[in-house]
Amino acid sequence: RKEVEQDPGPFNVPEGATVAFNCTYSNSASQSFFWYRQDCRKEPKLLMSVYSSGNEDGRFTAQLNRASQYISLLIRDSKLSDSATYLCVVRRYDYKLSFGAGTTVTVRA
Amino acid sequence: EAGVAQSPRYKIIEKRQSVAFWCNPISGHATLYWYQQILGQGPKLLIQFQNNGVVDDSQLPKDRFSAERLKGVDSTLKIQPAKLEDSAVYLCASTPNPWGPGNTGELFFGEGSRLTVL
Repeated sequence: RKEVEQDPGPFNVPEGATVAFNCTYSNSASQSFFWYRQDCRKEPKLLMSVYSSGNEDGRFTAQLNRASQYISLLIRDSKLSDSATYLCVVRRYDYKLSFGAGTTVTVRA
Repeated sequence: EAGVAQSPRYKIIEKRQSVAFWCNPISGHATLYWYQQILGQGPKLLIQFQNNGVVDDSQLPKDRFSAERLKGVDSTLKIQPAKLEDSAVYLCASTPNPWGPGNTGELFFGEGSRLTVL
């Protein structure tokens, strides 16, 4: 079983829509969680960390469910510029990182 | 502040040839990573350096891949001989000491070196 699994999508949504997707992780000792954004043919960049109580950054909301071992990302009021692949990243207690394969989001006009 | 620098950006070689990629991390970052990203997949760690020492190379195919960070700053990743399945983007990333207090866990990636093996 992969350490981090994501729905690959693609999620194809119109501008202004809300889109949400999850990431599951297998190691219960995982300590920290992140969402990275990767534009086509570009490098990954940190979008946001995910905190236990959930957190927002503008139109982006991240949630963590330790009991069910998943994190989620919700994008409100989608913009064309939100089109990208969103990578789920999990950091273990020994600081080793595992990346998911990514969820592709395409926002259409 | 300058970001992570990588070269070359693109490389096309034939199978069984060799190739080398170079990375210069953000100044002061003790930890340097090399990742392999195959199309449609997430980045896979090849090797992690802490200063000039190897922390994790468990997923590095050591029969053909080698990496070094001799002076604890820039690093070179070499593939010899290359196989078709090595076609991928090789991403270098750096971060301050991940075990240090206040480290946010953010990795700073270079633009990557795209390798095509024919």
